[in-house]
Amino acid sequence: GESVGLHLPTLSVQEGDNSIINCAYSNSASDYFIWYKQESGKGPQFIIDIRSNMDKRQGQRVTVLLNKTVKHLSLQIAATQPGDSAVYFCAENEKGAGNMLTFGGGTRLMVKP
Amino acid sequence: DAGVTQSPTHLIKTRGQQVTLRCSPISGHKSVSWYQQVLGQGPQFIFQYYEKEERGRGNFPDRFSARQFPNYSSELNVNALLLGDSALYLCASSPFLAGGVGELFFGEGSRLTVL
Repeated sequence: GESVGLHLPTLSVQEGDNSIINCAYSNSASDYFIWYKQESGKGPQFIIDIRSNMDKRQGQRVTVLLNKTVKHLSLQIAATQPGDSAVYFCAENEKGAGNMLTFGGGTRLMVKP
Repeated sequence: DAGVTQSPTHLIKTRGQQVTLRCSPISGHKSVSWYQQVLGQGPQFIFQYYEKEERGRGNFPDRFSARQFPNYSSELNVNALLLGDSALYLCASSPFLAGGVGELFFGEGSRLTVL
């Protein structure tokens, strides 16, 4: 499939290790944040979300941390698997902006077997 | 159940031409949003339609237009194509106008190449 991002920052991890992907956002009015996974030739796939009144949310093997003071978001993936290899985007949504998302630049995660 | 479907999947146009991209949302979803994803970048919001009305517009020129039909499907039109319009055009559907953005589902996209 066609590569989603040829010049994105890349995080390379060993299978079984934990991965941490970081994202900085700029809009203080954003109150909803989402992480998406995008594989080559596919559309973004929802992973996990968090509202601004929370600082941590956990899903299955994934955790999102939100630090509103420094406008920073991170995605932690536990026991990374080869199937986790993809490009990961954070996105923010401002209250009153409907479904308009502002996406970050993305990070490519490569999992080595 | 079918997900968000987009057509065509790939197309090639030349500068100055016009293109129409189509999107069918998930059954029961009344909101359709369009995004442009240039290679190597994150998607950028173009339009949102809800109940056949435009509810949001991103920072795109008037060459870009869209509409939503009574069955909630949508078309994105781009006139006077430029080389910089080459991108993956993503459609996303949601049952809501806003709020539960985790309910936003993306299609596979239409890959437009402008020569």
